Amino acid sequence: KNQVEQSPQSLIILEGKNCTLQCNYTVSPFSNLRWYKQDTGRGPVSLTIMTFSENTKSNGRYTATLDADTKQSSLHITASQLSDSASYICVVSAPSGGSYIPTFGRGTSLIVHP
Amino acid sequence: DGGITQSPKYLFRKEGQNVTLSCEQNLNHDAMYWYRQDPGQGLRLIYYSQIVNDFQKGDIAEGYSVSREKKESFPLTVTSAQKNPTAFYLCASSIRQGTGELFFGEGSRLTVL
Repeated sequence: KNQVEQSPQSLIILEGKNCTLQCNYTVSPFSNLRWYKQDTGRGPVSLTIMTFSENTKSNGRYTATLDADTKQSSLHITASQLSDSASYICVVSAPSGGSYIPTFGRGTSLIVHP
Repeated sequence: DGGITQSPKYLFRKEGQNVTLSCEQNLNHDAMYWYRQDPGQGLRLIYYSQIVNDFQKGDIAEGYSVSREKKESFPLTVTSAQKNPTAFYLCASSIRQGTGELFFGEGSRLTVL
């Protein structure tokens, strides 16, 4: 069964500090991996997408890494800001008949304190 | 601006009532989806539609119904048969032959009284 496991479940850090969120998956075959940010009470928004051949991708203060051999990904947030407080969801997609089937992780809840 | 609009944002329902959640998109996307989100759980797929007049059950379709009469619209009806309907519902759309990125609406929170 395809699964996506995220850790930690929740994380509290001080403003300005860095943090790293983890994502392990068993989805096969693999098409791509995305990190989404979901503010409380809002819909998720895509931060990064990574395909099999990509190891690192950055989007401002967000840097995602992918190790397709060990089926692990991480999302590193640099110099955190209060607005980074949100849930971060790892989504791994498998190809299916010209489309994709996404499997969602449960998310990591990040709280940034001033 | 292009996007996905869900309404209402908040909805209260008495037990035994059916309610319909609206989802409209002007992104010209072929595929549309409905997800349910509960605290501490990942998004679970209720229904999805790849083209007009066609839709497929997801993992938790029991107690829900949908229609796709227009490309832009994919309403979800939560019926009285859904035993635990209180949840946050998210509608999403995607390009059928794209990278699989899902574009989400702002969500609808349904509470059963």
